[in-house]
Amino acid sequence: EIVLTQSPGTLSLSPGERATLSCRASQSVSSNYLAWYQQKPGQAPRLLIYGASIRATGIPDRFSGSGSGTDFTLTISRLEPEDFALYYCQQYGSSPPMYTFGQGTKLEIK
Amino acid sequence: QLQLQESGPGLVRPSETLSLTCIVSSGSISSGGFYWGWIRQPPGKGLEWIGIIDFSGSTHYNPSLKSRVTMSVDTSQGQFSLRLSSVTAADTAVYYCARLRIFVIRGESLDAFDIWGQGTRVTVSS
Repeated sequence: EIVLTQSPGTLSLSPGERATLSCRASQSVSSNYLAWYQQKPGQAPRLLIYGASIRATGIPDRFSGSGSGTDFTLTISRLEPEDFALYYCQQYGSSPPMYTFGQGTKLEIK
Repeated sequence: QLQLQESGPGLVRPSETLSLTCIVSSGSISSGGFYWGWIRQPPGKGLEWIGIIDFSGSTHYNPSLKSRVTMSVDTSQGQFSLRLSSVTAADTAVYYCARLRIFVIRGESLDAFDIWGQGTRVTVSS
């Protein structure tokens, strides 16, 4: 089973700053099946990025994803107040066939 | 815009079976290119995938839950369901239903959970 480890656990930044969130897999992951989600308190997760780097419909271009193999990154170029939330990476692996999520990174206002 | 809405009891007794339904509205559950899934989130914790089902009833379950999970689909009613047997306190969570969309880009298949229900809180307690 592939394990996704996200770092840091908590990231404290100010609006306008750049945020870099990391997702590391325990073994190589297909970029086609790496996604990022944002979750705000009391809400369902929202899809931000799929295929490691493709923004979902309606997602602002300040959000970008990159990476391959075992290391993936979500970057928020200039933080807006509404970006402070929890972020999860997620992958699909075929052995065994299952979807797994990272433990999450909390992005908080400094 | 397609919407998903979970329904079911908020309290389940230990050792009993948890049953939830997700109603698909403003769209068809029978459209190709999609699976329909369940994901849960224990209080204060991260997300755990439970399983997916397509409109024909083909399923894939999380191996750690497979012995207790059954998913079904009712295309005539536009809904799909989750049954989780022999529940314990560890099954207490917010349960989300979600659509798994299959994207095809430059001949390659990608997927992601692109639409989610609001979630329903289920507590396992006597």
